[in-house]
Amino acid sequence: GAGVSQSPSNKVTEKGKDVELRCDPISGHTALYWYRQSLGQGLEFLIYFQGNSAPDKSGLPSDRFSAERTGGSVSTLTIQRTQQEDSAVYLCASSPDRGGAETQYFGPGTRLLVL
Amino acid sequence: AQSVTQLGSHVSVSEGALVLLRCNYSSSVPPYLFWYVQYPNQGLQLLLKYTSAATLVKGINGFEAEFKKSETSFHLTKPSAHMSDAAEYFCAVSTPGNTGFQKLVFGTGTRLLVSP
Repeated sequence: GAGVSQSPSNKVTEKGKDVELRCDPISGHTALYWYRQSLGQGLEFLIYFQGNSAPDKSGLPSDRFSAERTGGSVSTLTIQRTQQEDSAVYLCASSPDRGGAETQYFGPGTRLLVL
Repeated sequence: AQSVTQLGSHVSVSEGALVLLRCNYSSSVPPYLFWYVQYPNQGLQLLLKYTSAATLVKGINGFEAEFKKSETSFHLTKPSAHMSDAAEYFCAVSTPGNTGFQKLVFGTGTRLLVSP
């Protein structure tokens, strides 16, 4: 009955370093989403995974961002050569399916600060 | 492309007063609409959603929203505000992504302040 979990809850890094953010979706949910919440841009879609299909990366802001999902479950969002504008809260969500009416269940987020 | 507009970045009410948070949508097809709430340092929690069944949708914590096609609106209301309702509220529309999935497009959010 656990919800979506994310780790770490907070991450402080130096400009130019790489970071990895982890998301554990609700068990049995086939769809997994990453969103970014920042002061200037609000809530933005980043990437979507559905089962073992190729992800939809249309929301990734640059090629420094990548994500993978192993075994159709856990997902990792990687940001290479971090920049100060990457500072934001990164939210992960999962849903039972990809339908438009499906509720997306959100994790608590990872708060990233790039110094 | 579908989008939502939330009027008012901040709304202040007194405890016990009516809460009204506004959301207007833009969609070329019948939309799926959502209201999420975010408490400080937490993720988003679904309050309610419209999926083309009843136009008046009841959610958790006494909130409800009415889908009005003629006004392209999906305003969130609660008859009597409680201190615990203080949070940020996001309206969202489900819109097709590049590969046929449905992603959420969010409004800019409305922070609800409740005073005693």
